[in-house]
Amino acid sequence: SQQGEEDPQALSIQEGENATMNCSYKTSINNLQWYRQNSGRGLVHLILIRSNEREKHSGRLRVTLDTSKKSSSLLITASRAADTASYFCATDANNAGNMLTFGGGTRLMVKP
Amino acid sequence: GAGVSQSPSNKVTEKGKDVELRCDPISGHTALYWYRQSLGQGLEFLIYFQGNSAPDKSGLPSDRFSAERTGGSVSTLTIQRTQQEDSAVYLCASSHRTASYEQYFGPGTRLTVT
Repeated sequence: SQQGEEDPQALSIQEGENATMNCSYKTSINNLQWYRQNSGRGLVHLILIRSNEREKHSGRLRVTLDTSKKSSSLLITASRAADTASYFCATDANNAGNMLTFGGGTRLMVKP
Repeated sequence: GAGVSQSPSNKVTEKGKDVELRCDPISGHTALYWYRQSLGQGLEFLIYFQGNSAPDKSGLPSDRFSAERTGGSVSTLTIQRTQQEDSAVYLCASSHRTASYEQYFGPGTRLTVT
C-alpha cells in the first residue's frame, strides 16, 4: 500500500485562486518532498521539508508538516494556468532504507 | 549541465518479447532509481542503486524484471517476456546521495505491450 495519500485526487480552480493539496502518510519519516508532473512524464522537485520543520516557503509555494498527524499540505497561492499539473508527495521513511514512497497525486487544473 | 536522460522515449513491443530501457543519470550522482507509473497512478518503486553497494531490488514485481548499472553510471532496466500489464511509463531518477536528497527525474520511457 502507498505510504502517502493525496487529497483531493483532483482539484479545479480559477486562475488567481489558491490551491491546497494535502498528503497523509503512515510511518515515521526523515523528510517529505513535493513533486510536480506535467503530462505524465518526468517529475520536478518542488520543495523538501524535514521532519523537524513545521513550515517552509518557496516563492508561491507554502508547505506545512504536522508529524503528530502524519500529514502535510502544499499551498499554491495566486495560481496560474501554468500551474496545471499533477502534484505528488513523497516520503523518505526512516525505516525504509533509501526508498522514496510516492502518493497517488492530486491533479490540479487552473482555468484561465 | 545535462539532466537525466532516458531512451527510448517510446517503445511498442509485442507480448512475449524482451525490452531494454536505458537511463543516463546526472554526472556525479551516486544514487539511481527506477520507478513505474501506470496511467493516472502514482509512482511505484522498482529498484535503487547506490554507489557500489548491492542494489535494493525490493520493488521489482517479478523475476522477469532486472536492472544493472555499469560503472556506477548508466543503468539498463530489462523486462523479459513482456506482458500487457507491463505497459506503463518507466521513470528513472538520480540523486546526489540518497533519497534524503531531492531526486532528478528523466522524461521517462512509455512502454506499450500489444
